[in-house]
Amino acid sequence: DIQMTQSPSFLSASVGDRVTITCQASQGIRDYLNWYQQRPGRAPKLLIYQTSKLVTGAPSRFSGSGSGTDFTLTIYSLQPEDVATYYCQHYDSLPVTFGQGTKVDIK
Amino acid sequence: QVQVVQSGAEVKKPGSSVRISCTSSGGAAGGHSVTWVRQAPGHGLEWMGRIVPVLGITNYAQNFEGRLTIIADKSASTGYMELSGLRSDDTATYYCAKGTGGEVLDHWGQGSLVTVSS
Repeated sequence: DIQMTQSPSFLSASVGDRVTITCQASQGIRDYLNWYQQRPGRAPKLLIYQTSKLVTGAPSRFSGSGSGTDFTLTIYSLQPEDVATYYCQHYDSLPVTFGQGTKVDIK
Repeated sequence: QVQVVQSGAEVKKPGSSVRISCTSSGGAAGGHSVTWVRQAPGHGLEWMGRIVPVLGITNYAQNFEGRLTIIADKSASTGYMELSGLRSDDTATYYCAKGTGGEVLDHWGQGSLVTVSS
């Protein structure tokens, strides 16, 4: 199985800060990488698919990049409503696997 | 507007089985997968398996082989997940999600909490 490693596990930043979350795959996954946002007590929600494609309706301050084994989710100006846990997920092969999550909080 | 609705919370005894339903509406019928993901309290997301009804394919994570059954109708608008031989570490919220373009899980149900306790 492909292992997905996210860092950091937790981050706290101020409103307006730029925030970066990284996700590393244990082997190449081309660009088959999704990002999900899970707000407290809610179901996960697809945020970015195929590395960099923003879901319709998602704020443009979210951006994804990368290829192969190294991927990044950037929030360009952190807002209070972005408090959530973010998960990467590969879908290059089965089983799909998720990163362990990055919890984002506001200072 | 796609909506995915799951059945409610369950409390089960160790060794028993649980069946959770998942109904989606509002989207194009067929062509997508119905995928099940679980999340133990305070933990991350774990892919359990999926069914692609239009292709007649079902795939299970190795951790659940032999205990998990996923079924869905041909249009993938109604699906079920049954997990048998329940243990206390199966206590989790179980999500179904509609998958497109591989396993891009673009719409999720609200989750069904399953508590396994004697």
